[in-house]
Amino acid sequence: DTGVSQDPRHKITKRGQNVTFRCDPISEHNRLYWYRQTLGQGPEFLTYFQNEAQLEKSRLLSDRFSAERPKGSFSTLEIQRTEQGDSAMYLCASSPGQGVMNTIYFGEGSWLTVV
Amino acid sequence: AQKVTQAQTEISVVEKEDVTLDCVYETRDTTYYLFWYKQPPSGELVFLIRRNSFDEQNEISGRYSWNFQKSTSSFNFTITASQVVDSAVYFCALIPKGDSSYKLIFGSGTRLLVRP
Repeated sequence: DTGVSQDPRHKITKRGQNVTFRCDPISEHNRLYWYRQTLGQGPEFLTYFQNEAQLEKSRLLSDRFSAERPKGSFSTLEIQRTEQGDSAMYLCASSPGQGVMNTIYFGEGSWLTVV
Repeated sequence: AQKVTQAQTEISVVEKEDVTLDCVYETRDTTYYLFWYKQPPSGELVFLIRRNSFDEQNEISGRYSWNFQKSTSSFNFTITASQVVDSAVYFCALIPKGDSSYKLIFGSGTRLLVRP
């Protein structure tokens, strides 16, 4: 396995611009999660997919955020009209399936800085 | 409330010292799962251990050991004979069984610095 891959690793954008992050999970992992992590804090859950279905969204995921997983493989997280408060690391994770005994594997994250 | 508290923000030790990272959790579920993850500077969260609420046996893996005590809602992590490579941020996390999403609820993390 090549691990969970995220792109880009770093993004600096001006306030008001749109940004998109991509996550490629481990092959054949049908669960995919997005988390957000700010400095000095633990990751916070944003949303998750079971195959292509988005099954839960956190209240942290405002209307400016949208996530997709069109074919049940890679996923994208788009932030529209970025604000300085969106500056954080966005982590993607995947697991082989349902059940807590399936280990959740994380990517290295995508750092977003909004200036 | 479903919550994980890691009261130690940062710990600094000298190499070869033993160090314990504290984790206290809150959950209304009688069945739940506890985890530790390591986050090195690269950013990736590395899975270390999973423990379910019915298994209170302590676990040892090399220099790592974990002490789970339901009576005090704690799941502490000890590194014996610490090494510089252990420097990282360590997160304790919780999944209540009643949550079908199996999303991890993380604490705020403890930054461990091991000095040579």
